[in-house]
Amino acid sequence: NAGVTQTPKFRVLKTGQSMTLLCAQDMNHEYMYWYRQDPGMGLRLIHYSVGEGTTAKGEVPDGYNVSRLKKQNFLLGLESAAPSQTSVYFCACLRAGQYTEAFFGQGTRLTVV
Amino acid sequence: TQLLEQSPQFLSIQEGENLTVYCNSSSVFSSLQWYRQEPGEGPVLLVTVVTGGEVKKLKRLTFQFGDARKDSSLHITAAQPGDTGLYLCAGARKGSARQLTFGSGTQLTVLP
Repeated sequence: NAGVTQTPKFRVLKTGQSMTLLCAQDMNHEYMYWYRQDPGMGLRLIHYSVGEGTTAKGEVPDGYNVSRLKKQNFLLGLESAAPSQTSVYFCACLRAGQYTEAFFGQGTRLTVV
Repeated sequence: TQLLEQSPQFLSIQEGENLTVYCNSSSVFSSLQWYRQEPGEGPVLLVTVVTGGEVKKLKRLTFQFGDARKDSSLHITAAQPGDTGLYLCAGARKGSARQLTFGSGTQLTVLP
């Protein structure tokens, strides 16, 4: 019973490098989200998707891009990593409809040096 | 500035004490949820409140949604060390139900 799986779990990048974080869900949920979590800031929404082939910006989208080519996968890309992007990244999925529950992955800890 | 502000940011209490955590906003929400997060894990849903003035109880936890649907509170009675964790409120705004926004979080530590 995988639920939401994020890869990788840890990563260290040098400033200017690029990388892609993968989120995969086996729950057949329509909506998917990428958040970043920093101390004292809770979870801040980066981008989200309401269905295959669609994406939208959240609160803090700058420096990130996303793609949802398949319903079960939501990719978060960093084209040119900066130290300010050091954070813990969480992916979540949500079934369409009212008042549904968000299910989260275990997070990716990213350090940019 | 975050859409949802939680207070206090940190709370450290002794086992058996009661506590209340607040989640406030200037925006109206169609629903509000509370999640708990433990170290190294993603948040897990505790409850969803949808009606202004609604009160829900989950064992020793009591959740209330404000009459105007702009705020919520979480009250824990006789806290236990197992209640330790990061408590997060999350809201879906009217008209933007698919954009789930989280609060700043309250880190609770219950000492034995």
